[in-house]
Amino acid sequence: DGGITQSPKYLFRKEGQNVTLSCEQNLNHDAMYWYRQDPGQGLRLIYYSQIVNDFQKGDIAEGYSVSREKKESFPLTVTSAQKNPTAFYLCASSTTGVLSDTQYFGPGTRLTVL
Amino acid sequence: SQQGEEDPQALSIQEGENATMNCSYKTSINNLQWYRQNSGRGLVHLILIRSNEREKHSGRLRVTLDTSKKSSSLLITASRAADTASYFCATDSGAGKSTFGDGTTLTVKP
Repeated sequence: DGGITQSPKYLFRKEGQNVTLSCEQNLNHDAMYWYRQDPGQGLRLIYYSQIVNDFQKGDIAEGYSVSREKKESFPLTVTSAQKNPTAFYLCASSTTGVLSDTQYFGPGTRLTVL
Repeated sequence: SQQGEEDPQALSIQEGENATMNCSYKTSINNLQWYRQNSGRGLVHLILIRSNEREKHSGRLRVTLDTSKKSSSLLITASRAADTASYFCATDSGAGKSTFGDGTTLTVKP
C-alpha cells in the first residue's frame, strides 16, 4: 500500500528530553512537511523539505530540528529548547514543492510532556 | 498571521441538510484547497480550486472562489453523520508552503 506513516502514535516525554518523531512515505514524493496542531486550532508549519539534503524553516521552527537524508524519510526532533511541546504533530508529503500540489497527510503523533 | 480564516468556527446541522462554510484570505493566491480532518486523525484532501476558476464540484461538495472578495465557500449537500469533522482551507503562501486556517467544526446529527 502506498502512503505516509508516522510513529509512534502516542509519545510521552519528560521535561528536558529530546524526542524524535518518525515520518516515512513510499509515494515517491519530493517534498515533505511537518506541522504542529494545538487543540481547536489549525496547522502551523514547523519545517519543510523540497528535496533530499535540503530543508527550510517554517513559521515555528524554534526548538525543533529535522534531517532529510533519504527521500522517504523526514524525522522531526523536538528538543528540550521547545518550551511547550505538548501537541499533535502531523507530517505530510507532496509530489513536488510546487504551491499547487495536494498534500498527503500521515495519521499524526500526539506528544505529551509529563 | 493566518492567511486563511474559516467561518463559522462551529456548525451543527441535521442529517440531510446542507452545510456551508467560508474561508477568507488576505493576499493574492494561486490556488486554494479544502481539507477534512476527523477527530485525532490526519487531514484528507477534498478539493483544489485555482485562482482562474470560480466553481468546482466533487460529488456532494461544491466549492466557489471569489478572488475579488478574497473568499471561498465549501458547500456539502445532503449531509450525513459521517461528514462530522473539521474542515480547513489552505492557501499557498509562497516558496512551497501552504497556510491553514483554524477550521470549521461540523457536527451532523442523525
